Amino acid sequence: GAVVSQHPSRVICKSGTSVKIECRSLDFQATTMFWYRQFPKQSLMLMATSNEGSKATYEQGVEKDKFLINHASLTLSTLTVTSAHPEDSSFYICSARDSRVGQGRSGANVLTFGAGSRLTVL
Amino acid sequence: AQSVAQPEDQVNVAEGNPLTVKCTYSVSGNPYLFWYVQYPNRGLQFLLKYITGDNLVKGSYGFEAEFNKSQTSFHLKKPSALVSDSALYFCAVRGGATNKLIFGTGTLLAVQP
Repeated sequence: GAVVSQHPSRVICKSGTSVKIECRSLDFQATTMFWYRQFPKQSLMLMATSNEGSKATYEQGVEKDKFLINHASLTLSTLTVTSAHPEDSSFYICSARDSRVGQGRSGANVLTFGAGSRLTVL
Repeated sequence: AQSVAQPEDQVNVAEGNPLTVKCTYSVSGNPYLFWYVQYPNRGLQFLLKYITGDNLVKGSYGFEAEFNKSQTSFHLKKPSALVSDSALYFCAVRGGATNKLIFGTGTLLAVQP
């Protein structure tokens, strides 16, 4: 089945530095990827929709200059947390949908999630 | 706007007993409904979905869910719970006209031996 790889799984950084998280679809192409943020014991909050070859679409309240998203190819999207602060500490999860799966197939409409990246900003 | 409600923060059930995790939704148009499971410090794993067709959907690990349009619900069920089913369960909805998948707040399922 479809696999999404996310790296790094854990990262600790100092306040003020930037951190890049990669999301790769390993065996399928994804024209669209999604970035979510999850606080402890809370739900997933959709941050932005990453579109291959164009600008990401950010949800209301998400700072696009703070969370830079680049979707440079059909298999890679990156999220960069710029000038990170302790309040940015969270679990970030990416997801992708196989754009080749047509309607009626079992994989249609199903998002595959990465294992998540836990960011801790000191 | 689309939304999902999971009214129970936690569900406790004894191993071997049936379990139900509740979910209600609000969306414009026909809903696409999903259940995902999350184990500690892990991403989400797909369990099952409802797009169209039979209201009773069967998914992975013996789970099933019933789509009820009149009650706008999509409750997750399993006839006999296992200790290994203990995890965080998320219901999600996507409106037919949008690409976005919106999640409920999650329900922690605890199965006691």
